[in-house]
Amino acid sequence: EAGVTQSPTHLIKTRGQQATLRCSPISGHTSVYWYQQALGLGLQFLLWYDEGEERNRGNFPPRFSGRQFPNYSSELNVNALELEDSALYLCASSRGVASRQTQYFGPGTRLLVL
Amino acid sequence: DQQVKQNSPSLSVQEGRISILNCDYTNSMFDYFLWYKKYPAEGPTFLISISSIKDKNEDGRFTVFLNKSAKHLSLHIVPSQPGDSAVYFCAASAEYGNKLVFGAGTILRVKS
Repeated sequence: EAGVTQSPTHLIKTRGQQATLRCSPISGHTSVYWYQQALGLGLQFLLWYDEGEERNRGNFPPRFSGRQFPNYSSELNVNALELEDSALYLCASSRGVASRQTQYFGPGTRLLVL
Repeated sequence: DQQVKQNSPSLSVQEGRISILNCDYTNSMFDYFLWYKKYPAEGPTFLISISSIKDKNEDGRFTVFLNKSAKHLSLHIVPSQPGDSAVYFCAASAEYGNKLVFGAGTILRVKS
């Protein structure tokens, strides 16, 4: 069974640009989560999507947004990039919306903002 | 506001001995706890979880203990192997919202 996949593995942008990160969940998983791991900080919850809807959002500004497609894959968009957006962005997936569902992570996209 | 704390930044253990990683939490609404292992340049790998209705869960060499009254959980790895060397993250979630709140991680080094 294939795991969670993310693309690209690395992304370099300049301040003010937009970044788009992509995630494909494990087959059969309908929920997709996005987390940010900035340098020196822990993993911070960004967004949760299930069945195409945003279910929960972390404490991040509105320029962090995303969507989930009918095939359950997801995009994370970061607008008006700032230097502090440089981080590892991790996607995870789980089965359904029920609580206590284990989240399985992808390898991440490392975003560098210059 | 650190709701999940891993107070030991690093731990060094001899191969074959027990590794004990600790985690404390402050939010009494947390009812599901997980441990992940992370190697550099990879995503976190799920190890083991425990629901708040239990106080122990075992899976092979890994055992997680939960002490709800102390808001404390620990991960025991027995016996420790050099391949266990990684960063270990404790995570917790409440019943609604599904977001995981992570600790800062503990670097485990298993010496051969």
